Amino acid sequence: KAGVTQTPRYLIKTRGQQVTLSCSPISGHRSVSWYQQTPGQGLQFLFEYFSETQRNKGNFPGRFSGRQFSNSRSEMNVSTLELGDSALYLCASTAAGASYEQYFGPGTRLTVT
Amino acid sequence: QQQVKQSPQSLIVQKGGISIINCAYENTAFDYFPWYQQFPGKGPALLIAIRPDVSEKKEGRFTISFNKSAKQFSLHIMDSQPGDSATYFCAVSFSGSARQLTFGSGTQLTVLP
Repeated sequence: KAGVTQTPRYLIKTRGQQVTLSCSPISGHRSVSWYQQTPGQGLQFLFEYFSETQRNKGNFPGRFSGRQFSNSRSEMNVSTLELGDSALYLCASTAAGASYEQYFGPGTRLTVT
Repeated sequence: QQQVKQSPQSLIVQKGGISIINCAYENTAFDYFPWYQQFPGKGPALLIAIRPDVSEKKEGRFTISFNKSAKQFSLHIMDSQPGDSATYFCAVSFSGSARQLTFGSGTQLTVLP
């Protein structure tokens, strides 16, 4: 099975712009979670989607949003970018049911200048 | 409030030695405890995970030891190899909720040849 894929892998944006990141989960996986990784704050949970519904949300401002499509692919959007949004954004997928194993993609490295 | 405390921050071990990384958690409701390994430029990869109904789980050279009363769990890497040099993260989760992982701050492991 192919792993979790994320596009683009690298992105450079300017303050004030918005950005959309994409994640394709492992085939058959229906839950997609997003995390932000920075040297200062470490790995932090952003939100999780299951069956096109946001099931849980971390402590991030409303500028961070996401959605999930019927094929389980997910996107996250960050509006009005700030320098502090520079980070590695990671997507993880989980099979439905009792599994709690999350499998991460390679991430999208976002740099805000 | 830091829900998961991981130590040490960095660890240097000789090839063939045992690497031990520790995590302590606050909330007794956590009941899923995975360890992830991350190489530079890659997403975290699930190594091994444990539920609180067992005190130890072993997979190859990797062992999780779990102490429910002390609210601590640790990762032991036996016969450490230079290829094990990476950053290791512990995490915790509630099994009754969405797939939200709370991560420790990470341990940079270096295995000397």
